Amino acid sequence: ETGVTQSPTHLIKTRGQQVTLRCSSQSGHNTVSWYQQALGQGPQFIFQYYREEENGRGNFPPRFSGLQFPNYSSELNVNALELDDSALYLCASSFLAEAFFGQGTRLTVV
Amino acid sequence: KNQVEQSPQSLIILEGKNCTLQCNYTVSPFSNLRWYKQDTGRGPVSLTIMTFSENTKSNGRYTATLDADTKQSSLHITASQLSDSASYICVVPSSNTGKLIFGQGTTLQVKP
Repeated sequence: ETGVTQSPTHLIKTRGQQVTLRCSSQSGHNTVSWYQQALGQGPQFIFQYYREEENGRGNFPPRFSGLQFPNYSSELNVNALELDDSALYLCASSFLAEAFFGQGTRLTVV
Repeated sequence: KNQVEQSPQSLIILEGKNCTLQCNYTVSPFSNLRWYKQDTGRGPVSLTIMTFSENTKSNGRYTATLDADTKQSSLHITASQLSDSASYICVVPSSNTGKLIFGQGTTLQVKP
């Protein structure tokens, strides 16, 4: 049990739709990062939030956006879904050297 | 470019046997290296964190080594069990950005 909870665990969306994924952080962790993991691949960095501000972004288009709230929970929003967005989305909350992952949200775009 | 590379890509061993997974990194400056175990479709779970000054660290049947000079780490699994079947991912944080840089992972299958 890592103390990081993601919801929903599974989701099926249609191409062109919008989706919001949620992550509740480990208590005391003020940094949250989001990753996309395609089947059989390592996680790819989407972006990171530190104290409600975006603090780094990977090579993902602007239709991937996020929010971090005062309680350090976070959302990942994806607009205009494409088939290639199908993946496991991981949230990691961290403080200094500690990083804990949620169980992931499996998104399938059809 | 900050990179983490793992080998082998996949590995099949018999239950009870030992195995060693490798990780090479070029992340600089270096602060720590982490090994995670990831079951299929699940989030990674931390096995161990190695800092610059640590050469060896054990967590049960898992032993990680770090050579900061050659920028290499290994994860040794002793007396493998069926439940060890998973992907093992080596991760090095970028000290400048805090971003976690992932290796592609080694997929381990333990057969009875």
